[in-house]
Amino acid sequence: AQKVTQAQTEISVVEKEDVTLDCVYETRDTTYYLFWYKQPPSGELVFLIRRNSFDEQNEISGRYSWNFQKSTSSFNFTITASQVVDSAVYFCALRPHNTNAGKSTFGDGTTLTVKP
Amino acid sequence: DTGVSQNPRHKITKRGQNVTFRCDPISEHNRLYWYRQTLGQGPEFLTYFQNEAQLEKSRLLSDRFSAERPKGSFSTLEIQRTEQGDSAMYLCASTLPGQGVDTQYFGPGTRLTVL
Repeated sequence: AQKVTQAQTEISVVEKEDVTLDCVYETRDTTYYLFWYKQPPSGELVFLIRRNSFDEQNEISGRYSWNFQKSTSSFNFTITASQVVDSAVYFCALRPHNTNAGKSTFGDGTTLTVKP
Repeated sequence: DTGVSQNPRHKITKRGQNVTFRCDPISEHNRLYWYRQTLGQGPEFLTYFQNEAQLEKSRLLSDRFSAERPKGSFSTLEIQRTEQGDSAMYLCASTLPGQGVDTQYFGPGTRLTVL
């Protein structure tokens, strides 16, 4: 069974603050993918990043960075110098690497509010 | 626009009525997924297709739910005899399995309200 836990239900920060969204996962698969998606008020899930389980190199993309630690089964997401437009619900998801596998398992999301 | 599209975007129906939603995946994507999302929760897997074959169905997909992808392109999700508990956002995603490209891209969703 797979499980994704996003313990932070809601986070509120003031613009320009840094914020980290936590994601902890459980899986018995030896290889898997991890994802982060953003869901703005419009409702569409926007893909942000995919990480393979065998690649623990952290990644930075502009103001976004991701810290993958297999030893603690965590895949945390940091937004540096947050902006109002970052306000959204953020979902972490897990998917087996098996090509016959279909579904992704999502956490329940973290609602981020960035105040001006 | 070459993304995943879904129609309608919103549907309001009375309990007991049947509804049908459509999803058009990204054109070269051969896998198509349906998820359901209720308020305050993440998307929950319903079913997926590879081309026209339905390969997996969740236990969430009761007998009142049926999904088809007859020509391996667009897909429809039908709910018969709707119940208030069916009110949710229904999301469609598509992907092209293969090394390095197996990312699910989501459509805007169909929000169903059952009165």
